[in-house]
Amino acid sequence: AQSVTQLGSHVSVSEGALVLLRCNYSSSVPPYLFWYVQYPNQGLQLLLKYTSAATLVKGINGFEAEFKKSETSFHLTKPSAHMSDAAEYFCAVRPRGSNFGNEKLTFGTGTRLTIIP
Amino acid sequence: NAGVTQTPKFQVLKTGQSMTLQCAQDMNHEYMSWYRQDPGMGLRLIHYSVGAGITDQGEVPNGYNVSRSTTEDFPLRLLSAAPSQTSVYFCASTLSTGNSPLHFGNGTRLTVT
Repeated sequence: AQSVTQLGSHVSVSEGALVLLRCNYSSSVPPYLFWYVQYPNQGLQLLLKYTSAATLVKGINGFEAEFKKSETSFHLTKPSAHMSDAAEYFCAVRPRGSNFGNEKLTFGTGTRLTIIP
Repeated sequence: NAGVTQTPKFQVLKTGQSMTLQCAQDMNHEYMSWYRQDPGMGLRLIHYSVGAGITDQGEVPNGYNVSRSTTEDFPLRLLSAAPSQTSVYFCASTLSTGNSPLHFGNGTRLTVT
């Protein structure tokens, strides 16, 4: 079964510093990969998705993620953190294929990002 | 365009009570799903539907029931509420699968006492 691991349930960075949130998946065939952001008391919002067109994916709010097949990773980065980036971030995977049941999206346990002024 | 709408936003139930969480989408999406979010556990899939009249169980279906009579609506029923069902519930939909992202509602915060 598909699984996804997010290392670090809490990450703190200073304003202006690099943000790095880690995501690793476990499957022999690279799945579809997504990053979502959740602000307090809100639903989840799509940041970016991997479609296999390019290994470096750019998303909203200056975030980007790089797909590395050899490392089964899809880490999320942002060069310079802003106070408004404080939120919880979720990595999610969906297996490739057209069999019934493959529509399900599996989420990691999330990483709460705190920005230090 | 409202997207995915969930009601109510907050609900308090006593153990043993039943209730229905409502979810509606106006994007003509075939696929709809319910997740629950608990601290440290991410989002876990409860039930999902790939079209009107078709539903299936997710990872944590026990104690919940769903039906899909129309494309737009996908209600989640708690048959006999238990404190373990205290959680935040999210409904989501997508046009198709593959690399199509889920669109989420704003959630229902449920407390069972």
